[in-house]
Amino acid sequence: DGGITQSPKYLFRKEGQNVTLSCEQNLNHDAMYWYRQDPGQGLRLIYYSQIVNDFQKGDIAEGYSVSREKKESFPLTVTSAQKNPTAFYLCASSDPGGGYNEQFFGPGTRLTVL
Amino acid sequence: AQSVTQLDSHVSVSEGTPVLLRCNYSSSYSPSLFWYVQHPNKGLQLLLKYTSAATLVKGINGFEAEFKKSETSFHLTKPSAHMSDAAEYFCVVRDYTGGFKTIFGAGTRLFVKA
Repeated sequence: DGGITQSPKYLFRKEGQNVTLSCEQNLNHDAMYWYRQDPGQGLRLIYYSQIVNDFQKGDIAEGYSVSREKKESFPLTVTSAQKNPTAFYLCASSDPGGGYNEQFFGPGTRLTVL
Repeated sequence: AQSVTQLDSHVSVSEGTPVLLRCNYSSSYSPSLFWYVQHPNKGLQLLLKYTSAATLVKGINGFEAEFKKSETSFHLTKPSAHMSDAAEYFCVVRDYTGGFKTIFGAGTRLFVKA
C-alpha cells in the first residue's frame, strides 16, 4: 500500500527538550510538507521541500528544523526555541505535476509539552 | 493576494437532509481548488478537486462541488447526510503567484443529528 506514515502518533515533551517527528512516504513524491494544526484553525505551513537536499521555510518556521537527505523521508525537529509547541502536526507529500496536484496527508502526530 | 474563506465555522444537519458547506476564495491566477475531510485525530483525506476542467466536480462519498468563477465560490454539497459524514472539512486553494502556494481555509465542523 502506498502512503505516508508518521510516528509516533502521540509524543510528550518536557520543556527545554528537542523532539523529532518522523515522516516517511512511499509514493515516490518529490515534494514534502510539514503543517501545524491548532484547534479551530486551518493548517499552517512550517517547512516544505521540493527536492532532496533542499527545503524552504514556510509561514511559521521559527523554532523548527528539518532535513531532506532521502526522497522518502522528511523529519521535523521541534526545538526548545519553539515557545508553544503543543499542537497536531501533519506531514504531506505531492507530485509536482505542474504544481496543481493535491497533497496526500499522513495520520498526524499529536505533540504535548508537559 | 490569495485567500480562502469558509463562511461557517459549524454546520448542523439532520441525517438524511442535504449538506451545504460554503467556501469563497480569492486568487490572482487560475487556481486549483480542493475539499478535504478530517475525522478526529486523523490526517486529511481528499474529497474532490477542481483543476480547470468541468466546473461541477464529483468526489467520494456522494459529495460534489461547483466552481463558480463569477462568484469566486466553491461550495461543497451532498444530497443526503449520513452520520459518518460528521467531521471537519477544509477548502483549499492552490495558485501560482511567484511560486506555487497552498492556502487552507479555517475549516467547517459538520455535525449530523440522528
